[in-house]
Amino acid sequence: QAVVTQEPSLSVSPGGTVTLTCASSAGPVTSGHSPYWIQQKPGQAPRTLIYDTSNKHSWTPVRFSGSLVGGKAALTLSGAQPEDEADYYCLLPSNGARPVFGGGTRLTVL
Amino acid sequence: EVQLVESGGGLVQPGRSLRLSCAASGFTFDDYTMHWVRQAPGKGLEWVSSIGWTSVSIDYADAVRGRFTTSRDNAKKSLYLEMNSLRTEDTALYYCAKDNRRLYKSNGMDVWGQGTTVTVSS
Repeated sequence: QAVVTQEPSLSVSPGGTVTLTCASSAGPVTSGHSPYWIQQKPGQAPRTLIYDTSNKHSWTPVRFSGSLVGGKAALTLSGAQPEDEADYYCLLPSNGARPVFGGGTRLTVL
Repeated sequence: EVQLVESGGGLVQPGRSLRLSCAASGFTFDDYTMHWVRQAPGKGLEWVSSIGWTSVSIDYADAVRGRFTTSRDNAKKSLYLEMNSLRTEDTALYYCAKDNRRLYKSNGMDVWGQGTTVTVSS
């Protein structure tokens, strides 16, 4: 089973832009992995922001976007807000194969 | 509004059993694969199990296979996790989650419950 790797922590200034990435030990992350991005604020349940690389749910703030960059899945936050401070998890469900979560990135907005 | 409400968590001794439930509302429950995901204190998310909409397809993480059993009752719109031979390392917040795709086992989750806490300790 592949290991999914994310940056342990990142920081961004309010109003700034930051990109979180998600890599797989099995090789490049592609659209076939259908990457998801999940946000978890302190003390709250997870909330899925992005699915299938770049698709947003109705509740996903427009400042979040997903993409593939250099063989990795990427989550870009443009115009960071204090309320975006959270843990962000990458999920590679790989279309029905066993889902694998990344270790998470703790994003600090300061 | 899609809602998932877990229950059944608690404090249990190692080696004992516990049954978690997840009550679903706001969507056609029997059209969706459902998942259990857990989070140990201070740790990340860990997939535990998935069950297809007809219960034909059920899968488990290696860490729980043979000890945990996932089932569902579509008439009651409920998902269950029977946990046997519990270990201290099973201590976690257990979430149920709905699959993102209707009538397809994508193994991606879109809506999550609030979770129920399981503590395994003597």
